[in-house]
Amino acid sequence: SAVISQKPSRDICQRGTSLTIQCQVDSQVTMMFWYRQQPGQSLTLIATANQGSEATYESGFVIDKFPISRPNLTFSTLTVSNMSPEDSSIYLCSVEISNAGGEQFFGPGTRLTVL
Amino acid sequence: AQSVTQPDIHITVSEGASLELRCNYSYGATPYLFWYVQSPGQGLQLLLKYFSGDTLVQGIKGFEAEFKRSQSSFNLRKPSVHWSDAAEYFCAVGAPNAGKSTFGDGTTLTVKP
Repeated sequence: SAVISQKPSRDICQRGTSLTIQCQVDSQVTMMFWYRQQPGQSLTLIATANQGSEATYESGFVIDKFPISRPNLTFSTLTVSNMSPEDSSIYLCSVEISNAGGEQFFGPGTRLTVL
Repeated sequence: AQSVTQPDIHITVSEGASLELRCNYSYGATPYLFWYVQSPGQGLQLLLKYFSGDTLVQGIKGFEAEFKRSQSSFNLRKPSVHWSDAAEYFCAVGAPNAGKSTFGDGTTLTVKP
C-alpha cells in the first residue's frame, strides 16, 4: 500500500495567481497521477508524472497551465497557473504501485477555490 | 478506448436495506475492474478489485461485486446498508502498469434512517 499526503489541504486564491500543490508518498513509486474533480463530477486525469521524464498531459490540459515537477520517486508538485474561477476543484494526487495489481492510491485532495 | 458507465447518478436506500450500484464498462481486453468509495471531504479508497478467477469478489466493509463478461458489467452490492455507507462510489477500469484507470461519473449514495 501507499500513504499519500497533499499540501495544502485547501486554499482560497485570487484570480490570476498561481498555486503549487505538493504530493508526498511514503514509498518510492514510478507512476504518479494528477486528477481534477470538479464539484459534483467524476475524476478527470490531468497528467501522468513519471520520474525522470516529462509529464504526459491528457487532452485539454497543457503544461503552461498545469506545470508538473517530479524530482524523485516520492514527491511531485502540480501548479495551477493564472487561475480563474473555473479552476475551482479538488485536485487529487494518485499513485500506482507495481505489485498492487493496478490499484491506485489517492491522496486526500486539495480543495481549491478561486475568487 | 476504455470507458465506464454508471447509470445511476444518485441512489437513496433505507438503512438496513440491500444495495446494488451498477457499472458497465467497455474495454478491448480482459479488464481490471475496481470500485472506489469517496466519503465527504476524503480521498478515494479502494473497496474491491477484479483481475481474474472467481467472478464474485469480496471487498472491505461488507461489499461484494460480480463480474459478468457477457453483460460487460461489474455491479457492486451490499446486503444491508449502514448509515456510514453514505458516500460517492466510483467504478473504474484499467490495467496494471498502464496507468490512468478510467473512472465512471460516480453514484452518490444517500442512506435514510
